[in-house]
Amino acid sequence: QKEVEQNSGPLSVPEGAIASLNCTYSDRGSQSFFWYRQYSGKSPELIMSIYSNGDKEDGRFTAQLNKASQYVSLLIRDSQPSDSATYLCAVSLLSGGGADGLTFGKGTHLIIQP
Amino acid sequence: KAGVTQTPRYLIKTRGQQVTLSCSPISGHRSVSWYQQTPGQGLQFLFEYFSETQRNKGNFPGRFSGRQFSNSRSEMNVSTLELGDSALYLCASSYSGGGTNEKLFFGSGTQLSVL
Repeated sequence: QKEVEQNSGPLSVPEGAIASLNCTYSDRGSQSFFWYRQYSGKSPELIMSIYSNGDKEDGRFTAQLNKASQYVSLLIRDSQPSDSATYLCAVSLLSGGGADGLTFGKGTHLIIQP
Repeated sequence: KAGVTQTPRYLIKTRGQQVTLSCSPISGHRSVSWYQQTPGQGLQFLFEYFSETQRNKGNFPGRFSGRQFSNSRSEMNVSTLELGDSALYLCASSYSGGGTNEKLFFGSGTQLSVL
């Protein structure tokens, strides 16, 4: 049974600080890793994908992957109130966009305090 | 470019009925995936279609089925509805579903309530 675990939160971070979101997964065969952001009442939106060990940066977002530890993280620098949302970690067994069926964590609710 | 369109936005059904949900992918996208989202279980993969063929399937009972048409539009059907089927059903599309740099684009979902 593939599992993706996230702390449900809420995680409260002051505006301008770094928000750190963590995720662990159970299947060592996982190849692709994604972070989605979901605002309340809206659909998930992909913000980061990562496929190899190490860091991947995109603007204020950095995804980190450690396959040996089965651990994925997302750092949000200079957090803004507009970053307040639920962040979903997702993994796929294939090296692709995830159409083979993503396994999602239940999400971490992030609150950025002005 | 229009996004992923799901209809209807809301549905109310009673136990034992069946329901059909519709999804129109982004123009040019040929892969359509369906997910169920509930507060308790989160987002769970139902199935994925590509070129009118089901390529991948999640762990849901046979009451959940789908199909894809030649224009890539997809429908999802749930028969003999149960109270536990109340959920937000999300459709996602991508170009082929297999490329490393491909993205899944989600629709706004259909909120199904079973009474």
